[in-house]
Amino acid sequence: RKEVEQDPGPFNVPEGATVAFNCTYSNSASQSFFWYRQDCRKEPKLLMSVYSSGNEDGRFTAQLNRASQYISLLIRDSKLSDSATYLCVVNRNGNNRLAFGKGNQVVVIP
Amino acid sequence: DAMVIQNPRYQVTQFGKPVTLSCSQTLNHNVMYWYQQKSSQAPKLLFHYYDKDFNNEADTPDNFQSRRPNTSFCFLDIRSPGLGDAAMYLCATSRDSGRAAEEQYFGPGTRLTVT
Repeated sequence: RKEVEQDPGPFNVPEGATVAFNCTYSNSASQSFFWYRQDCRKEPKLLMSVYSSGNEDGRFTAQLNRASQYISLLIRDSKLSDSATYLCVVNRNGNNRLAFGKGNQVVVIP
Repeated sequence: DAMVIQNPRYQVTQFGKPVTLSCSQTLNHNVMYWYQQKSSQAPKLLFHYYDKDFNNEADTPDNFQSRRPNTSFCFLDIRSPGLGDAAMYLCATSRDSGRAAEEQYFGPGTRLTVT
């Protein structure tokens, strides 16, 4: 089983709509969770950390479910500029090493 | 602005010809990482330095080596590049807070082509 699994998509989303996706992780000892955004042929950049209580940053909401070992990301009122790949990232064995999912590719359509 | 810099941005090398990629940072972070990312794949950690301590991933081929002469610089050496080594190579840095993992800051990457 892969450390982090994501459905790569693509997720074709009409502008203004809401899109949500999950990722699952295999290591129950993981303590840090992140969503990174990666634009085509660019480096990953942190979108948001994911906390146990869930957190929101503008149009983006992240949730963590430790019991079921999944993380979710919801994007409301999608903008064309939200088109990117969203990487689910989990730390390995409680240390600095991170495991990345393959990403959810989001394409926002006018 | 504090940042992670990678040079060159694009590198073309011949099959079997050694190549070195460089990374520098002005963030003064004590942890530096090298990742390999192929098209439509997740970034794959090759190794990382915790200060001067080198930590290799179990599945990183011996063909890949690294050096960190000081806090600011880290190099990736590919001793004998094969066609399968063509990829984007990403350098990243983070602080170590002594707790769980902190955010990693990535450089723009070096896209390696092997001919």
